[in-house]
Amino acid sequence: AQTVTQSQPEMSVQEAETVTLSCTYDTSENNYYLFWYKQPPSRQMILVIRQEAYKQQNATENRFSVNFQKAAKSFSLKISDSQLGDTAMYFCASITSGTYKYIFGTGTRLKVLA
Amino acid sequence: DAGITQSPRYKITETGRQVTLMCHQTWSHSYMFWYRQDLGHGLRLIYYSAAADITDKGEVPDGYVVSRSKTENFPLTLESATRSQTSVYFCASSWDRSEAFFGQGTRLTVV
Repeated sequence: AQTVTQSQPEMSVQEAETVTLSCTYDTSENNYYLFWYKQPPSRQMILVIRQEAYKQQNATENRFSVNFQKAAKSFSLKISDSQLGDTAMYFCASITSGTYKYIFGTGTRLKVLA
Repeated sequence: DAGITQSPRYKITETGRQVTLMCHQTWSHSYMFWYRQDLGHGLRLIYYSAAADITDKGEVPDGYVVSRSKTENFPLTLESATRSQTSVYFCASSWDRSEAFFGQGTRLTVV
């Protein structure tokens, strides 16, 4: 079965500091993709970063980077220089080539403190 | 307008009634998805579709019906609404295994 697990329901970080959100996943397929989405209070879902499983290099997007550990099935998100606008719910997600099911975790609510 | 739109944005219905949530996308994306978002459960996949006339069950399909006669539309029907189906519902579309684009969500309350 394809699963995504986020074990941190809530986190907080001081403005300008660095925070890491955890995500583990499970799939029996070799070809899959991993994502982090942000959901601010507006409820809009916004793609933060994407990682292809076949790529060893960790994806980065400005202040956002991932630590992709394929053997451990771990996919954490690091936010550097946290800003007040980063306050949001963050969801980890996966999609496999076989089923095309886009599966999400339960989310981590991040609060950036001034 | 280009994009993905859901209607209605808010809906209150009574237990036992049938209700349909609409989803329309203008990109001709092949893949479409329906999720429900509940506190503590994140986004759970209800149904998804790989193309017109191809649909499949997700994680929580019971009590829901979908159809996809046209690529751009993917309505979700609650055949006999129950209070446990009170939730925020999101529709999404994707070209392939890339970014999923989400609608604004529909807040459904079953009383």
